[in-house]
Amino acid sequence: DTGVSQDPRHKITKRGQNVTFRCDPISEHNRLYWYRQTLGQGPEFLTYFQNEAQLEKSRLLSDRFSAERPKGSFSTLEIQRTEQGDSAMYLCASTTQRDSWEQYFGPGTRLTVT
Amino acid sequence: DAKTTQPTSMDCAEGRAANLPCNHSTISGNEYVYWYRQIHSQGPQYIIHGLKNNETNEMASLIITEDRKSSTLILPHATLRDTAVYYCIACPRNSGNTPLVFGKGTRLSVIA
Repeated sequence: DTGVSQDPRHKITKRGQNVTFRCDPISEHNRLYWYRQTLGQGPEFLTYFQNEAQLEKSRLLSDRFSAERPKGSFSTLEIQRTEQGDSAMYLCASTTQRDSWEQYFGPGTRLTVT
Repeated sequence: DAKTTQPTSMDCAEGRAANLPCNHSTISGNEYVYWYRQIHSQGPQYIIHGLKNNETNEMASLIITEDRKSSTLILPHATLRDTAVYYCIACPRNSGNTPLVFGKGTRLSVIA
């Protein structure tokens, strides 16, 4: 399977703990996006990378959130000091710069903060 | 990006055509109409896009009105597996830093 993969698929954590999610994009895709989705809403943009450069961050991405894509391949999204409001599905998508609106999404990581 | 409005939900009988409308009355000349769908517990999936001509692929057809203020996504023979939330998005193609902006979409239920 050469699609976008995310790990873990589910994460339950206690408030105040740190969590890290990983996304492996389609190998030839140089753009990688992170979205957050809460129940009943569409995905909301968080940040995106072109190769290893983080080019845009949403105001939703508070200082507790950090994302990296160190070698322009996989990416990690870390949430520090989790809060109950962080409970959501975190989606990763990848694409090429040429066709940046035809994004390929992974299955997501569902985070539950108790 | 132009705002889109879609009905909250729709039902469709299995085997019949599902016609999903989208209004984008403020769309500008360089903005395309993109459709994605999201099946329960999965990430969104790209379906089709168009600028002003009607488009068809193996998944669906997209009909865009001549004034480009609305469009309809057509699933010609809906199956139970087409039950999903369908998102209509208007945005410039390859505009650089502008991300996809999803609304709440239309929840399509295909009924046996």
